[in-house]
Amino acid sequence: KQEVTQIPAALSVPEGENLVLNCSFTDSAIYNLQWFRQDPGKGLTSLLLIQSSQREQTSGRLNASLDKSSGRSTLYIAASQPGDSATYLCAVITAGGSEKLVFGKGTKLTVNP
Amino acid sequence: GAVVSQHPSRVICKSGTSVKIECRSLDFQATTMFWYRQFPKQSLMLMATSNEGSKATYEQGVEKDKFLINHASLTLSTLTVTSAHPEDSSFYICSASLDRTGYTFGSGTRLTVV
Repeated sequence: KQEVTQIPAALSVPEGENLVLNCSFTDSAIYNLQWFRQDPGKGLTSLLLIQSSQREQTSGRLNASLDKSSGRSTLYIAASQPGDSATYLCAVITAGGSEKLVFGKGTKLTVNP
Repeated sequence: GAVVSQHPSRVICKSGTSVKIECRSLDFQATTMFWYRQFPKQSLMLMATSNEGSKATYEQGVEKDKFLINHASLTLSTLTVTSAHPEDSSFYICSASLDRTGYTFGSGTRLTVV
């Protein structure tokens, strides 16, 4: 059974700092991995999607890497801003036919001005 | 890009009544939609997979008679919470995928049963 773990559970940083959020998964046979952002009381916004054959994806100040063999992904946020404050969720689709996303519990990020 | 619209965003209902939540894919056809439930400070829990034109597939422990799912068209899936009770109060989110290259989520529905 696929399990996704995110570390740390919460993170508080001063504005401008570069930071890394970690995600690990137990079954390396994944179809893809997706990072989402969730603001309080809101739905999920997709940030980056990494296919199993890819090693990283970049969008603006965000960079996500994937090491499928070790079951790890990182989300790097450069020059953090107070508007980046949110909960960041990592999710994977395990290869083998199911379309189910398996989520981690998220990292709650607070960027202090 | 793919957009999923979910309504209502908030609903308060009396215990014993039923509530319907709609999930629409606005600019693409979704043969499969997913319904999640999220408890405070917890991650998303998949409740069921909604398949257009067929019965939904429920996850273990989810009561299919309490959470009725209908996926009558390629752009609309509905979740009806029947005979709602306070313990059903939660945040419900739907998602859809154009293909397995990525998932788009609705904005969620905050259900409060009083």
